[in-house]
Amino acid sequence: GENVEQHPSTLSVQEGDSAVIKCTYSDSASNYFPWYKQELGKGPQLIIDIRSNVGEKKDQRIAVTLNKTAKHFSLHITETQPEDSAVYFCAAITSGTYKYIFGTGTRLKVLA
Amino acid sequence: DADVTQTPRNRITKTGKRIMLECSQTKGHDRMYWYRQDPGLGLQLIYYSFDVKDINKGEISDGYSVSRQAQAKFSLSLESAIPNQTALYFCATSDSSGASYNEQFFGPGTRLTVL
Repeated sequence: GENVEQHPSTLSVQEGDSAVIKCTYSDSASNYFPWYKQELGKGPQLIIDIRSNVGEKKDQRIAVTLNKTAKHFSLHITETQPEDSAVYFCAAITSGTYKYIFGTGTRLKVLA
Repeated sequence: DADVTQTPRNRITKTGKRIMLECSQTKGHDRMYWYRQDPGLGLQLIYYSFDVKDINKGEISDGYSVSRQAQAKFSLSLESAIPNQTALYFCATSDSSGASYNEQFFGPGTRLTVL
């Protein structure tokens, strides 16, 4: 069945360093790839997304890259700050469907 | 996100009890979803509704039922709670007509413990 693999499950970085989280999807029809950030006690919130017609998207310190051939996409956070500490989820969706296939999450800790 | 609210936020119940989790939204979205989150398993879809008259099972619907009382309200029921239903439950909404029709907006979650 369809699935999304996400790695690593936990990641610790020093403040100011970069963090990279990677996801691989199985359904070649997937064409929308959001990243969600979940802070303690809150629901997931969208932080960035990318559609299959582009290879990279940036928003300040956050960027997402997509390799359709390899069916993987990555979240890059530069100049990490303590407030970036959270659980991050990737997801893959096929246009016109309801179904989000979520990765299993990455717990990011930014050490001050 | 204050636009999607869930009640209760925390609930402890006993095996065999019936329990209802409620979700309300002020976003005017037509689509609503219930997810379950377990450690290390991400988010799994329980039920989804595309409008008031449309209810569909997700990946893990056994042991759960839902009711879409209005466009803004979607409740999840556990008919007879069991300990392995202990989890964090999230409601989400999306708008099928907007430019960002794929984006889902999540509520703050309900932490349910079944003893």
